[in-house]
Amino acid sequence: GIQVEQSPPDLILQEGANSTLRCNFSDSVNNLQWFHQNPWGQLINLFYIPSGTKQNGRLSATTVATERYSLLYISSSQTTDSGVYFCAVVDSSASKIIFGSGTRLSIRP
Amino acid sequence: DAGVTQSPTHLIKTRGQHVTLRCSPISGHKSVSWYQQVLGQGPQFIFQYYEKEERGRGNFPDRFSARQFPNYSSELNVNALLLGDSALYLCASSLEGGIDSPLHFGNGTRLTVT
Repeated sequence: GIQVEQSPPDLILQEGANSTLRCNFSDSVNNLQWFHQNPWGQLINLFYIPSGTKQNGRLSATTVATERYSLLYISSSQTTDSGVYFCAVVDSSASKIIFGSGTRLSIRP
Repeated sequence: DAGVTQSPTHLIKTRGQHVTLRCSPISGHKSVSWYQQVLGQGPQFIFQYYEKEERGRGNFPDRFSARQFPNYSSELNVNALLLGDSALYLCASSLEGGIDSPLHFGNGTRLTVT
């Protein structure tokens, strides 16, 4: 099955800093989604991005499907950005959704 | 509009018991999927249902089963509970039938097996 790896596993930044989170996948996928899980466990869909670039406020994401990776950019970090960021892909051959192990982001005031 | 709702929010069960978790999708969404998230790990896919039919299944034992009702709500059942079943169980709904559609998650049910 498809393997999904995220890096870095942990990231600690000061408020106002920028960050780049990476998601690599081992085979071609039909789509990719990014999620933010807040400290209370709630998972929020940030982007549905099979390919190309999307932006939503301070967040943007780029997926290069041919090279099997996606990047999530967070600019001017705020403490509310803290939490775990997951990427997820669809393994169509197995009809499964595969999540990465996440990047834990901590923003210090 | 209400988001995805799950019940109960917390549950404590004993080994060997059975549990039923419930999920109501966003209005208009016809697909529901279930996930198990153990502390410190990413969500693991269990099932996906669309129009009351199973469309995808993860690597979970037969003790795990699910169904979807005509109003698109869903139940996840787990029999013969083990200590290792302790986890956060998440439900997500999506508009389209395929599992490659944007997912919207509920707040989860935290199950503790003692």
